[in-house]
Amino acid sequence: DGGITQSPKYLFRKEGQNVTLSCEQNLNHDAMYWYRQDPGQGLRLIYYSQIVNDFQKGDIAEGYSVSREKKESFPLTVTSAQKNPTAFYLCASTSPVVGPYEQFFGPGTRLTVL
Amino acid sequence: AQKITQTQPGMFVQEKEAVTLDCTYDTSDQSYGLFWYKQPSSGEMIFLIYQGSYDEQNATEGRYSLNFQKARKSANLVISASQLGDSAMYFCATLGMDSSYKLIFGSGTRLLVRP
Repeated sequence: DGGITQSPKYLFRKEGQNVTLSCEQNLNHDAMYWYRQDPGQGLRLIYYSQIVNDFQKGDIAEGYSVSREKKESFPLTVTSAQKNPTAFYLCASTSPVVGPYEQFFGPGTRLTVL
Repeated sequence: AQKITQTQPGMFVQEKEAVTLDCTYDTSDQSYGLFWYKQPSSGEMIFLIYQGSYDEQNATEGRYSLNFQKARKSANLVISASQLGDSAMYFCATLGMDSSYKLIFGSGTRLLVRP
C-alpha cells in the first residue's frame, strides 16, 4: 500500500534536547511538507522540499531543521532553539506535476516537552 | 496573502441529517483551488473534496458536496445523511499563491454527530 509513515507516534523531549521526527513516503511524490498543529488550530507550514537536496523555509521555520537526501525521506529535527515545541507534527506529500495538488498526510507525531 | 476563514468552532448535527460547514476565502489569484480535509481524533488528515475556481459544477464525492459561490468567496462543505463516524474536525484549505504548493488552512470546525 502506498502512503506516508511517520515515527514515532509519541515523542517526549527534555528541555535542551534535539529530537528528530521521521517521515517516509512511497508515493513517488517529489514535494514533501512539514506542518505544525497546536490545539484547536489549523496547520502551519514549517519547511517544504520540492526536490532532493533542496528545501525551503515555511512560515514558522525558526528552531527547526530538515534534510532531503532521498526522495522518500524528509526528516524534521526540532532543536533546542525552538522555544515551544510541544505540538502535533504532520508530514505531507504531493506531486506538483498534475493538479489538483491535494496533499497526502501521514498519521502525525505528537511531541511533548517535559 | 491568502486567508481561509471558518467561523464555526463547533457544530452539532443529528444522525442522518445534513449539515453545512462554512468556509470563506480571500485571494487575489484568478486561478485557485479549495480543499476540505477531515481530521478524526486519531489526528491524520483525510482529503475529502476539491473545487477548482474554474470548475463550473460544484464538486461532489459521495456524501460530500461543495457549495461553491465564487462571487461570495465561499466554499461550504455539505455532508448529507450524517453518520456517527463523521464526528471530527474539518478544515478548509487553499493552495498558496507561490510555487511551493503549500496549503493554507482555516482554524477548523469541530463536528459532533448525535445519535
